[in-house]
Amino acid sequence: AQSVAQPEDQVNVAEGNPLTVKCTYSVSGNPYLFWYVQYPNRGLQFLLKYITGDNLVKGSYGFEAEFNKSQTSFHLKKPSALVSDSALYFCAVRDGDMRFGAGTRLTVKP
Amino acid sequence: DSGVTQTPKHLITATGQRVTLRCSPRSGDLSVYWYQQSLDQGLQFLIQYYNGEERAKGNILERFSAQQFPDLHSELNLSSLELGDSALYFCASSASGGTGANVLTFGAGSRLTVL
Repeated sequence: AQSVAQPEDQVNVAEGNPLTVKCTYSVSGNPYLFWYVQYPNRGLQFLLKYITGDNLVKGSYGFEAEFNKSQTSFHLKKPSALVSDSALYFCAVRDGDMRFGAGTRLTVKP
Repeated sequence: DSGVTQTPKHLITATGQRVTLRCSPRSGDLSVYWYQQSLDQGLQFLIQYYNGEERAKGNILERFSAQQFPDLHSELNLSSLELGDSALYFCASSASGGTGANVLTFGAGSRLTVL
């Protein structure tokens, strides 16, 4: 069965610095990988996805993610963090149904 | 507004009771997913329906059941409620094809509190 792991419960960065939120995956076939963001008291919102093609995927709000097949990773990145990026981030993998990681809380401090 | 509507937004009930959560998917989406989000277990996949048929089942308890109706809305029934069932329950929908395929659109959730 497919699964994703987010090794960090919490990531803290200063505003203007680059950010990385890590995700590794396990799937039997070709992975369909996703990042979602959850703001307080809201449902999850889609950020970006990797299905096939370029390993660097660009998404909403300036976020991008790099697919690395050899390391089975799909890390979320942003060159310059904003305080408004503070939220809960979920990595997900789809192989039939959609399975989510445990989430990483990103805090961007001014 | 994501287009996925969940009711009720908040629900407080007692142990042993039964509740029904309702979800209307985004217009045109045939797939509906239910997830449970609790503080200690993250986002747990419960069940998926596609055009009225059960497509996949996850960590759904036997006390829980769901169905998708011909008009594509879905209901999640939770019975013999326990304190540990207190959580946010999310519904999501997805398109069957095109660029939106595989992308889930989530509702705002139903917060269930069992006292």
